[in-house]
Amino acid sequence: QVQLQESGPGLVKPSQTLSLTCTVSGDSISSGNYYWSWIRQPAGKGLEWIGRIYVSGSTNYKPSLKSRVTISVDTSKNQFSLILTSVTAADTAVYYCASETVTGAGWGQGTLVTVSS
Amino acid sequence: SYELTQPPSVSVSPGQTAMITCSAHALATQYAYWYQQKPGQAPVVVIYKDTERPSGIPERFSGSSSGTTVTLTISGVQAEDEADYYCQSADSSGISMVFGGGTMLTVL
Repeated sequence: QVQLQESGPGLVKPSQTLSLTCTVSGDSISSGNYYWSWIRQPAGKGLEWIGRIYVSGSTNYKPSLKSRVTISVDTSKNQFSLILTSVTAADTAVYYCASETVTGAGWGQGTLVTVSS
Repeated sequence: SYELTQPPSVSVSPGQTAMITCSAHALATQYAYWYQQKPGQAPVVVIYKDTERPSGIPERFSGSSSGTTVTLTISGVQAEDEADYYCQSADSSGISMVFGGGTMLTVL
């Protein structure tokens, strides 16, 4: 069972760039066994998929976020990352990294990112 | 944007059966997954591929599918089952992951 841990700044200023990293343990990120995803959840609200990356580097993004999102993978560190540009208060949420398989997604514990000046 | 429709809340007494539905056009062709989320915790998959139950998930959790609607059934509900439940699937292209709005299960 793969384990996931998010890390990154908990506070980002409006109009700036949010950057988070997910460290994977228990399997190689290059194994090809998973798709690697980012999902977020504003306080008291539902889950929103942001996008995913496969070890090949191919990506899929939620259409409404595509212009602001980049997901990348660093196989040497067994990590994958999220970059979200031009953030606003609406981007304040708990951000989860997740490992997708046909049996569903495994999740990190989540990290709160607040967008505020 | 494409959405999965769930009831906002369901309430049942302990020992009764809870049924949570999720509807969307693409569910006729895409698998559904169900996640349980307790306060302050990350979601956990309780049903995958419409009807399959992961190891470690109690047998009282089951899933079914009929046309454009999938259903999560919890038989003999226990107090520990009180949580938010989210259905998840893909859009008709099979590319974008989508979630339902979530259902708060209250055990009376």
